[in-house]
Amino acid sequence: QVQLQESGPGLVKPSQTLSLTCTVSGASISSGVYYWSWIRQHPGKGLEWIGYISYSGSTYYNPSLKSRLTISKDTSNNHFSLKLTSMTAADTAVYYCAREVAVMVSFYYFDFWGQGSLVTVSS
Amino acid sequence: DIQMTQSPSSLSASVGDRVTITCRASQNIKNYLNWYHQKPGRAPKVLVYAASSLQSGVPSRFSGSGAGTDFTLTISSVQPDDFGTYYCQQSYSGPKTFGQGTRLEIK
Repeated sequence: QVQLQESGPGLVKPSQTLSLTCTVSGASISSGVYYWSWIRQHPGKGLEWIGYISYSGSTYYNPSLKSRLTISKDTSNNHFSLKLTSMTAADTAVYYCAREVAVMVSFYYFDFWGQGSLVTVSS
Repeated sequence: DIQMTQSPSSLSASVGDRVTITCRASQNIKNYLNWYHQKPGRAPKVLVYAASSLQSGVPSRFSGSGAGTDFTLTISSVQPDDFGTYYCQQSYSGPKTFGQGTRLEIK
């Protein structure tokens, strides 16, 4: 069974950089046609897709966050990471990592998710 | 970005009721539409992908339909475990985008 687990600080000061890691078990992040995504949910709100890194290492970011965002992967430890700079209170959210799978060639959906990590931006 | 709009924002249903949730896309997304269910404090779980394909393990009371810009998720007979929030999500083009959610309360 595929499992994803987020780890990182629960509290970040304004203007600092958020670093989160998603450790994957039950699947290799460098094989198969999978896209390893970050998604966030502001308190009491809906879901916002942040970006992904593919099995081959290519990345695609949400344009609204692109200037502050880096997603990378560590294949030796089978995890991928998010760095988001210049954090503000508006970035306070639960951050999920998720696997996006392709079926029937071109249909993509998120089939496995981490449990989520609450990140609060406050001094 | 493609905007996704769900209706209603919330609804209340009794066990055994038939429930329909609607999702509208701001442009034609063919059938690149997924549905998720989220319970409070938990991660979302996929119910339907490609507009009408039921994810393995999902009860058959859930079904999806639609194409183009208008989609529906139907629960044929609501069960107590179906409470929570339902989201649609497009995977057609650009950044993935979700609807704002429909909260289902069980009476």
